[in-house]
Amino acid sequence: GAVVSQHPSRVICKSGTSVKIECRSLDFQATTMFWYRQFPKQSLMLMATSNEGSKATYEQGVEKDKFLINHASLTLSTLTVTSAHPEDSSFYICSVMGRNEQFFGPGTRLTVL
Amino acid sequence: LAKTTQPISMDSYEGQEVNITCSHNNIATNDYITWYQQFPSQGPRFIIQGYKTKVTNEVASLFIPADRKSSTLSLPRVSLSDTAVYYCLVGGGGADGLTFGKGTHLIIQP
Repeated sequence: GAVVSQHPSRVICKSGTSVKIECRSLDFQATTMFWYRQFPKQSLMLMATSNEGSKATYEQGVEKDKFLINHASLTLSTLTVTSAHPEDSSFYICSVMGRNEQFFGPGTRLTVL
Repeated sequence: LAKTTQPISMDSYEGQEVNITCSHNNIATNDYITWYQQFPSQGPRFIIQGYKTKVTNEVASLFIPADRKSSTLSLPRVSLSDTAVYYCLVGGGGADGLTFGKGTHLIIQP
């Protein structure tokens, strides 16, 4: 399956700052990547679909101006959490679409103080 | 996307075979059934995928009856390291973002 990496694995920031999370497909050209968020003790929730060379598609209730997604190449998608607040603290996970399944990155733990 | 129902938690012991059943009554004709495993603070890991009958790989088997309204993930001879949350998902071949249910928290005891 595809190998997916995320950077950073963990980040702590102050409220009001912006944080960028990278998702890389190391051995697979990914036209489509997905971003999920997972709060403690809960399941993953799809935030948006990242399409290479075009605008991302956001799920209902996810603010596109707060969670900026850039998918500039077939191997890299970035998620920027702008003006982060404590309620944005969560585990952010990206995935790459394979033939019939998705391959997930290791996740990024964001803590906003 | 078809909704799935699976037990919230299960317990078993090392060396046992564990079967986790998932119900998906509204599965569509072109939907695949995929199972993922997730450890705390890690991304989900693909375990197995099937469309019908039985699929087996090096870590698990997936049994799907003819009506495809349910599926059973079978883990042979589990170990402590199999303690994790297991998610059953139904969807059209990975083309869309996945809708995760609550998953099954499997606890393996010595």
